[in-house]
Amino acid sequence: GAVVSQHPSWVICKSGTSVKIECRSLDFQATTMFWYRQFPKQSLMLMATSNEGSKATYEQGVEKDKFLINHASLTLSTLTVTSAHPEDSSFYICSAPLLDSPNEKLFFGSGTQLSVL
Amino acid sequence: AQKITQTQPGMFVQEKEAVTLDCTYDTSDPSYGLFWYKQPSSGEMIFLIYQGSYDQQNATEGRYSLNFQKARKSANLVISASQLGDSAMYFCAMREAFSGGYNKLIFGAGTRLAVHP
Repeated sequence: GAVVSQHPSWVICKSGTSVKIECRSLDFQATTMFWYRQFPKQSLMLMATSNEGSKATYEQGVEKDKFLINHASLTLSTLTVTSAHPEDSSFYICSAPLLDSPNEKLFFGSGTQLSVL
Repeated sequence: AQKITQTQPGMFVQEKEAVTLDCTYDTSDPSYGLFWYKQPSSGEMIFLIYQGSYDQQNATEGRYSLNFQKARKSANLVISASQLGDSAMYFCAMREAFSGGYNKLIFGAGTRLAVHP
């Protein structure tokens, strides 16, 4: 089946630094990638939708300058948390739709647990 | 605005018994899709089952079935013959009709299922 590879799975960083999270579709082309954020024991909240070759679409309340999204190719989308602060600590997970699937099934990465000290 | 409601924060079930996880939704779009995902403690999102709004029959996937009651706007997940490995967080999600872009998936708050031996 289709696979979305997400790295790193776990990262600790100092406050003020930037962290880049990568999501790659390994065996299919992902023209769209969804980025979600999940706080402990809470649901997944959509942050933004990245589209290959164009600007990402951010959900209301998500800071564009804080969470930089780049979708440079059909198989790679990146989320950069700039000047990270402890309140940015969260579980980040990406997903991509498989176009040929009967229900436009979403395939998820394994997630990235970010801890900002 | 669409909305997904999961009213059960937690559920307990005895091994080998069946359990129903509730999900209600709200949308004004006649065309939509409903999904159930399982999230174990590792964080990955595992697709379980899909129901399209125009599907005549309730979806089934192995031990999973979806009790779709369109008039009541409910899409409950039924897990038959529960196994210890079913212990996880379960999310109901909805996607509205494709309209020129890949529509986002909105998740409910989730239900934590604990299966007891």
